[in-house]
Amino acid sequence: AQKVTQAQTEISVVEKEDVTLDCVYETRDTTYYLFWYKQPPSGELVFLIRRNSFDEQNEISGRYSWNFQKSTSSFNFTITASQVVDSAVYFCALSEGNFGNEKLTFGTGTRLTIIP
Amino acid sequence: DGGITQSPKYLFRKEGQNVTLSCEQNLNHDAMYWYRQDPGQGLRLIYYSQIVNDFQKGDIAEGYSVSREKKESFPLTVTSAQKNPTAFYLCASSLDSSSPLHFGNGTRLTVT
Repeated sequence: AQKVTQAQTEISVVEKEDVTLDCVYETRDTTYYLFWYKQPPSGELVFLIRRNSFDEQNEISGRYSWNFQKSTSSFNFTITASQVVDSAVYFCALSEGNFGNEKLTFGTGTRLTIIP
Repeated sequence: DGGITQSPKYLFRKEGQNVTLSCEQNLNHDAMYWYRQDPGQGLRLIYYSQIVNDFQKGDIAEGYSVSREKKESFPLTVTSAQKNPTAFYLCASSLDSSSPLHFGNGTRLTVT
């Protein structure tokens, strides 16, 4: 069975610091997709990224970057020069290749607080 | 602007009453989903629908019911059979089942 572990329950950093959110996953499939979603205080989850298992290239989008390492089954998320607006709960999620969102497994989330 | 609207934002009910949570989308998405979020837990799938007039149970469907009579609407009824209904409920949609999810702002249900 697939599983996603976000061991960091809560993280607090001072504004402008860099911060990395960890995500470790388990799956028996060779084809799978990994996601990150952001949940700001308003409640809705916002899609950040999707990565398939065959693409291990790291991705950068502005201050956000993602490090995908199949060798350690990790898909970590780094925010560079954090800002107060980055304060939110961040979820990592996994779906196995032949299935779609109906088999999406979410981690328990990491609550990130950016201190001004 | 296109999006998903959930109403109401807060809902209070007495134990033993059924309650229906509204979810409407104008994104023209085929697939819609209901999730439940409890403190310290990830999102858990209650029901999903990949097309109008069809829906499937998710991981925790017991005590819930849904309908999908229109493409844009996917209401969730929390019945009195749900043993622990107090939670934050999130509705989502996607273009198809493999596309990223778009979420509503959620409904916080409190049953006393």
